[in-house]
Amino acid sequence: DAKTTQPTSMDCAEGRAANLPCNHSTISGNEYVYWYRQIHSQGPQYIIHGLKNNETNEMASLIITEDRKSSTLILPHATLRDTAVYYCIVRVGGNQFYFGTGTSLTVIP
Amino acid sequence: DGGITQSPKYLFRKEGQNVTLSCEQNLNHDAMYWYRQDPGQGLRLIYYSQIVNDFQKGDIAEGYSVSREKKESFPLTVTSAQKNPTAFYLCAIGSSYNEQFFGPGTRLTVL
Repeated sequence: DAKTTQPTSMDCAEGRAANLPCNHSTISGNEYVYWYRQIHSQGPQYIIHGLKNNETNEMASLIITEDRKSSTLILPHATLRDTAVYYCIVRVGGNQFYFGTGTSLTVIP
Repeated sequence: DGGITQSPKYLFRKEGQNVTLSCEQNLNHDAMYWYRQDPGQGLRLIYYSQIVNDFQKGDIAEGYSVSREKKESFPLTVTSAQKNPTAFYLCAIGSSYNEQFFGPGTRLTVL
């Protein structure tokens, strides 16, 4: 059973903000939302995570809805190097991070 | 990466052979993980270890074995019982409540 739902692919113009949505309607109160990205043939790279409040770091911003059933990862000024597969993950207990198939983001020059 | 090393980067094996993939870390993390990734797919958990001399099966442990004799090392053996071993294998470190950090991966091809 899927824990998160993401669009399969998205395009974004270089220099514009990339907004990647994720649905996690079954999230429970103590589960964090994590975002990773994977550039082809490399290991996934941690981006950001959050529980309730919006979060921002040097890479991205994470906006979590008040009911926590969805979130959006924002890359404020996308570059060609941001082309990657982006995974939204909700920890479902224990030690496991469930990676789905993610969103393939293509940044277009 | 940055403290997590996996070797080799590319590995070829003949059918019926066991092969061991290395994962080493110098970041003093207790927890280590092995994932498998097939083309166009997400990551699937094979095994994980929270402490030395202890490890747990993930979702797809059949045909694989691990050991955790040292905190720094968590090798994965792909045995001949694994029917479709060709894949990209990723090692990660981290704790249960924080982010996981991934190594560069080993691409295994069965000839």
